[in-house]
Amino acid sequence: DIQLTQSPPSLSASVGDRVTITCRASQGISNNLIWFQLKPGKAPKSLIYAASSLQSGVPSKFSGSGFGTDFTLTISSLEPEDFATYYCQQHNSYPLTFGGGTKVEI
Amino acid sequence: EVQLVQSGAEVKKPGESLKISCKGSGFSSVNYWIAWVRQLPGRDLEWMGIVYLGDSDTTYSPSFEGQVTISADKSISTAYLQWGSLKASDSAMYYCARSPGYRSGSHDYWGQGTLVTVSS
Repeated sequence: DIQLTQSPPSLSASVGDRVTITCRASQGISNNLIWFQLKPGKAPKSLIYAASSLQSGVPSKFSGSGFGTDFTLTISSLEPEDFATYYCQQHNSYPLTFGGGTKVEI
Repeated sequence: EVQLVQSGAEVKKPGESLKISCKGSGFSSVNYWIAWVRQLPGRDLEWMGIVYLGDSDTTYSPSFEGQVTISADKSISTAYLQWGSLKASDSAMYYCARSPGYRSGSHDYWGQGTLVTVSS
């Protein structure tokens, strides 16, 4: 199975901050990676597909980059609604696997 | 608007059976995959398996093969996750997620989650 290591597990930030989350795969996965946001009591929301493409309707403050084994999600300027947990997930091969999550806190 | 609407929370006893659902709306094609994902208390997410709405082709995670049954009814754009005999360790939040037929696992929309509690 492909292991995804996300860092940091949590971070504290302020409104307006730029935040970067990293995801490292245990083997090359091309650009077969998505990022999504999870808030308690809400449906997860997909943000990025194919490592760097913005899902429809997602604001441009979110961006993704990377290829192969190293990937990043950047939020250019945090807003109150962005405080949540963020996950990466690979779909290069079954079983699909997830990173451990990064909780972004105030 | 694309939506995946999951069935409501369930409280069951060990040994009971259960089938939860994930109904898609806002899209007419059956050219989509629906995956099931488990979130145990805490944060870890586990992929359980995936079913193709068009022909019910199914792939299971080795961790869940034989433990659950995943199925679909394309006529109503609905996927199902089923247990024959629940255990306390099945208590978790279960999410469904859609991905396009040409990019299995690249989830674009998710359900709101179904909380399953198994307790005697």
